Formats: sequence, C-alpha cells, structure tokens
Amino acid sequence: EAGVAQSPRYKIIEKRQSVAFWCNPISGHATLYWYQQILGQGPKLLIQFQNNGVVDDSQLPKDRFSAERLKGVDSTLKIQPAKLEDSAVYLCASSLSLVKYFGPGTRLTVL
Amino acid sequence: QKEVEQNSGPLSVPEGAIASLNCTYSDRGSQSFFWYRQYSGKSPELIMSIYSNGDKEDGRFTAQLNKASQYVSLLIRDSQPSDSATYLCAVNKSGGSQGNLIFGKGTKLSVKP
Repeated sequence: EAGVAQSPRYKIIEKRQSVAFWCNPISGHATLYWYQQILGQGPKLLIQFQNNGVVDDSQLPKDRFSAERLKGVDSTLKIQPAKLEDSAVYLCASSLSLVKYFGPGTRLTVL
Repeated sequence: QKEVEQNSGPLSVPEGAIASLNCTYSDRGSQSFFWYRQYSGKSPELIMSIYSNGDKEDGRFTAQLNKASQYVSLLIRDSQPSDSATYLCAVNKSGGSQGNLIFGKGTKLSVKP
C-alpha cells in the first residue's frame, strides 16, 4: 500500500513570496491533516479535512495560509505572503481512524 | 502550563538497558494518548497508543497511563542503537475534533552501543 505522498520535498523562498504544497493521502483515507513542525518542536495541527469539508482550522493563520481538498482526495496548502517564521517542515497526514500516517514532509526555508 | 510536556533530553542509555520516557498533559478530558518515534529528518511514526489506565505492551515497548496523575510514559526494554530517535507524546484535545492531537516537543533518546 502506497503511503502519503507530498511534494515538493524542499523549498526555499524569500519572504513575501508565495508557496504551495501538495499532498496525496493513502487511498481510501477520508481524513487529511496538515501539520507545521518548527525545528525542535512537536507538530502543530493547522487544518483537518473530513472528505472535502473542513473539520478544524482553528490554528490556521487565515490571513496568509489557505488550504483546500478538492474531490476529497488530494490537498494543497498555500502560504501567501510567507514570513521568516514560516520556516518549518509541513507534514501531511491521513487516517481512517485515530491512527495517523504521516507523509515525508516539505521542508520550507524562508529567507 | 504547557498542554503536553516532555523532558527534551537528550536521554542517554546503554545498549540493552531500559529507556523510560515521560509525558504529562494538562487537559483532564483527554481520552487518547499516543507515542510517535521520529528519526532525524524523517516524519513521525506511530509506535504505541493507549486509551485506558494501566499498561499496554507491544514487543519491547510498554505504554503506561495514569489519568488521575495526567501522566503517560513509554518504556523501551532491551534498548538498541536503532531506537535512537526523538519520541513524541501526543494527546487528543477534548472538545475538539477526534483527530486533533496536541504534541509535546519530544524527548531525544540516544542508545549507546
């Protein structure tokens, strides 16, 4: 069974630029999550989707971050404009139950 | 008080010893508790889940939960160098969505040959 796929794996941008990340969850997993993991910290939930509906986006900085999950499968997370403090690994995860499976992550560096 | 607290370590144990990792949490309504292992530069991987008070064993791993003390621990028996990683404690947030986990900062474990 294929795991959670993410791209790109690495991205370097300058502050105030925009960036987008893509995630393809495990086939059949209805729930999809985006996490932000800053170096030295645990992952922080940004947004949770159930199929193509948003379940929880309470910690998503909505002035600059947006996410969508079209057709209840793939998802994209966008940052516009990026700030220095957005430098982190962005992890996508999917689940059928409480067990989450994480993708390899996208390491974002904002200069 | 932080929602999920872990000693950041590093915790260093010799090969073959028992490694003991601890976690406290502040949300008394939490019902689900997880331990994830994260190798450097990799994504978190679930190794244990526990939902009721007491011990739960899986191979060399034992998770312990005490809801009254708001305390979760992970014991790794016969520690191996391959166990060297950061261990993340995660707790579900009561009142939130079922999958809303709060992660601690993690404890870095180093197993010396």
